[in-house]
Amino acid sequence: GAGVSQSPRYKVAKRGQDVALRCDPISGHVSLFWYQQALGQGPEFLTYFQNEAQLDKSGLPSDRFFAERPEGSVSTLKIQRTQQEDSAVYLCASSLPRLVGETQYFGPGTRLLVL
Amino acid sequence: GENVEQHPSTLSVQEGDSAVIKCTYSDSASNYFPWYKQELGKGPQLIIDIRSNVGEKKDQRIAVTLNKTAKHFSLHITETQPEDSAVYFCAASKGRANAGKSTFGDGTTLTVKP
Repeated sequence: GAGVSQSPRYKVAKRGQDVALRCDPISGHVSLFWYQQALGQGPEFLTYFQNEAQLDKSGLPSDRFFAERPEGSVSTLKIQRTQQEDSAVYLCASSLPRLVGETQYFGPGTRLLVL
Repeated sequence: GENVEQHPSTLSVQEGDSAVIKCTYSDSASNYFPWYKQELGKGPQLIIDIRSNVGEKKDQRIAVTLNKTAKHFSLHITETQPEDSAVYFCAASKGRANAGKSTFGDGTTLTVKP
């Protein structure tokens, strides 16, 4: 079956522009995660949804970052007034909840470059 | 919060040799430890995972060991092949207790020379 898909794959934005990144999780997956991956580093947690509820947004770096999943499926990560430090790969992952350890399936990521 | 350290940052081996990557974690409540392989331009792909109720798990050429007392876990790849070349990440999470969000190490770039 289809895996996690993300769009666009690449995005170039001028500093100050708003961007919207889309994630289509695996069908039926309840949990959805967003991570930010800087060059040469591991992914860092941004936010987590269970169905449409955003249960954890502790990793969002500032109030310029906003995520939503209104119908419990597709999710959008929005970054307002982009800054150069926002340049990174944004990864989306989905999973089915387990009592211990949710295996997360990652999408290919959106590479954002802010000029 | 959780802190995961991964060593080495780069590893070069000859085809057929073994490769070992080690990680330590700080939060004793972590109970799920996945390993991911990331190729250029792709998202991380799970290759093996271990839960804290077992000490070792093996899947063909790949094995993972976990020492809960010392809070460290390792990835072992035997009979390495050039297609094993990639960046490998370890991660730790507290499962449902923390909504499954993972803390990742900084990655190991593995190069397998033919």
